[in-house]
Amino acid sequence: GAGVSQSPSNKVTEKGKDVELRCDPISGHTALYWYRQSLGQGLEFLIYFQGNSAPDKSGLPSDRFSAERTGGSVSTLTIQRTQQEDSAVYLCASSLIGSGGAGELFFGEGSRLTVL
Amino acid sequence: DAKTTQPPSMDCAEGRAANLPCNHSTISGNEYVYWYRQIHSQGPQYIIHGLKNNETNEMASLIITEDRKSSTLILPHATLRDTAVYYCIVQNTGRRALTFGSGTRLQVQP
Repeated sequence: GAGVSQSPSNKVTEKGKDVELRCDPISGHTALYWYRQSLGQGLEFLIYFQGNSAPDKSGLPSDRFSAERTGGSVSTLTIQRTQQEDSAVYLCASSLIGSGGAGELFFGEGSRLTVL
Repeated sequence: DAKTTQPPSMDCAEGRAANLPCNHSTISGNEYVYWYRQIHSQGPQYIIHGLKNNETNEMASLIITEDRKSSTLILPHATLRDTAVYYCIVQNTGRRALTFGSGTRLQVQP
């Protein structure tokens, strides 16, 4: 596809369940980012993958959160034992680091997670 | 990364220029100024970025002061579809992910 694709677009789960959110970045983009946005709040950085370097996990709020990026392309964000405070829109972005647009992130439409 | 300060909200009349200010007095020499916007319920959208010189593209113009301590994003002819939260970010990217602050909520009035 032409843009960043995220799935599912909406997910409702029960407290304590595990969820997986998927991100398909723009083909050829070397950097991939996960952010989350709670209702009425700003964007909170979660994790950043850049090429083959070790990911920057400094934004992950707890050890219940993890993410991987397979083959330098698709990424999965996993939240274990979900809590109600995990309810938010989870946004994925990709970019082509090293070009003139090093800061031009392309965002997906997000995955809205609701934990009951 | 340098901190940015933006007004929390602004209004602009449709068809007029919208001038959104951003202060970044602690910016360092290798940090870029980026502008993004987020229209309600959508992912953020890149607008423009610059280092020292003023920049213009099809969406907006970016004016950076000579001392680089502040900048202004200009939407030359605002439309109702420009109503959004506008984020000014100062960062040396490539090393870290962009960090978004609280931004300026621009309301374009008919």
